[in-house]
Amino acid sequence: KQEVTQIPAALSVPEGENLVLNCSFTDSAIYNLQWFRQDPGKGLTSLLLIQSSQREQTSGRLNASLDKSSGRSTLYIAASQPGDSATYLCAVSGGSYIPTFGRGTSLIVHP
Amino acid sequence: DADVTQTPRNRITKTGKRIMLECSQTKGHDRMYWYRQDPGLGLRLIYYSFDVKDINKGEISDGYSVSRQAQAKFSLSLESAIPNQTALYFCATSDGKIQETQYFGPGTRLLVL
Repeated sequence: KQEVTQIPAALSVPEGENLVLNCSFTDSAIYNLQWFRQDPGKGLTSLLLIQSSQREQTSGRLNASLDKSSGRSTLYIAASQPGDSATYLCAVSGGSYIPTFGRGTSLIVHP
Repeated sequence: DADVTQTPRNRITKTGKRIMLECSQTKGHDRMYWYRQDPGLGLRLIYYSFDVKDINKGEISDGYSVSRQAQAKFSLSLESAIPNQTALYFCATSDGKIQETQYFGPGTRLLVL
């Protein structure tokens, strides 16, 4: 059974810092990995999706990398802003296409 | 307009009552999912459907049932609600093609007294 772990569980940083969120998974036979953002009490918004054959994806200040062999992905946020404050979730899908979610990293960026 | 909508957005009910949560999507996707989210536990899959005639149990289907009325509609029912079903419920869709990006509704906050 796939297990997804996200470290750290919570993070508080000053505005402007570059930061890295980590996601690890136990079964490397994945189809894709997706990073989501969730604002308090709201639904999830897809940020980046990496197919198993890809190594990274970029969108604006966000960059996600994937190392299937080691079962790891990182989400890099450059020049963090208070508006980046949210919970970030990682989800891994295997051959069934059903995603397994991590518990998320709660990020606070303070001015 | 939102691509994935859920009704109601908030619901308070009593133990033993039957309730239905509804999900509609305008994305034209075949695949639909129901999740629940509890503090500290992340998202857990309740049921999923890959097309109108396909219904599958997820990780935590006990106490729940679903109906796929059309490609665009997927309803979740709690046959006899209990307090530990208090949670945030999400519906999601995906296109069943190469990307398989999931698109989420805004969620239904359910409180069972």
